[in-house]
Amino acid sequence: GESVGLHLPTLSVQEGDNSIINCAYSNSASDYFIWYKQESGKGPQFIIDIRSNMDKRQGQRVTVLLNKTVKHLSLQIAATQPGDSAVYFCAEKDTGNQFYFGTGTSLTVIP
Amino acid sequence: KAGVTQTPRYLIKTRGQQVTLSCSPISGHRSVSWYQQTPGQGLQFLFEYFSETQRNKGNFPGRFSGRQFSNSRSEMNVSTLELGDSALYLCATRGDSLYGYTFGSGTRLTVV
Repeated sequence: GESVGLHLPTLSVQEGDNSIINCAYSNSASDYFIWYKQESGKGPQFIIDIRSNMDKRQGQRVTVLLNKTVKHLSLQIAATQPGDSAVYFCAEKDTGNQFYFGTGTSLTVIP
Repeated sequence: KAGVTQTPRYLIKTRGQQVTLSCSPISGHRSVSWYQQTPGQGLQFLFEYFSETQRNKGNFPGRFSGRQFSNSRSEMNVSTLELGDSALYLCATRGDSLYGYTFGSGTRLTVV
């Protein structure tokens, strides 16, 4: 079965520092990955995605890195701001077009 | 364009009752998936509908059911509610490209 896990359930960073959130996945055939941000009382919000034929993708202040060799995904947030405090989920899509989600990492930004 | 709309936002029901939740997808999105989110279990897949047909189903009891209408709006129903059904129910929709998987804000169901 699928298994998407996060290395750390909580992460605290100082405002202005960079944040790195990690995710491990188990299905080497997964071909698409997404990072979501979920704020309290809201649904998950799409942040950035990456296809399996890529190693890195950058957005505004966010970068996703994919290491297929070790089946590892990471989300880097540059210059973390208080508004970045939320729970972050990774999701993988298998070849059957089914999405699997990690349990999430809670990011707290300390002013 | 409008996002994914879920109604109602909050709901309180008593054990044994049944409940119906609604999800209206982004215009043009024909796939609607439902998830249950609880603090201990994270996001658990319930089912996916595409063109009025259930395409995938998660590991939930038969008390959980759903349907999709010709306009792609979807409903999920939970019968004989249990305390453990208290959760945030999320729907996510996508277009034919398989990407751009977008969530609604969810319905917070509390069973008392």
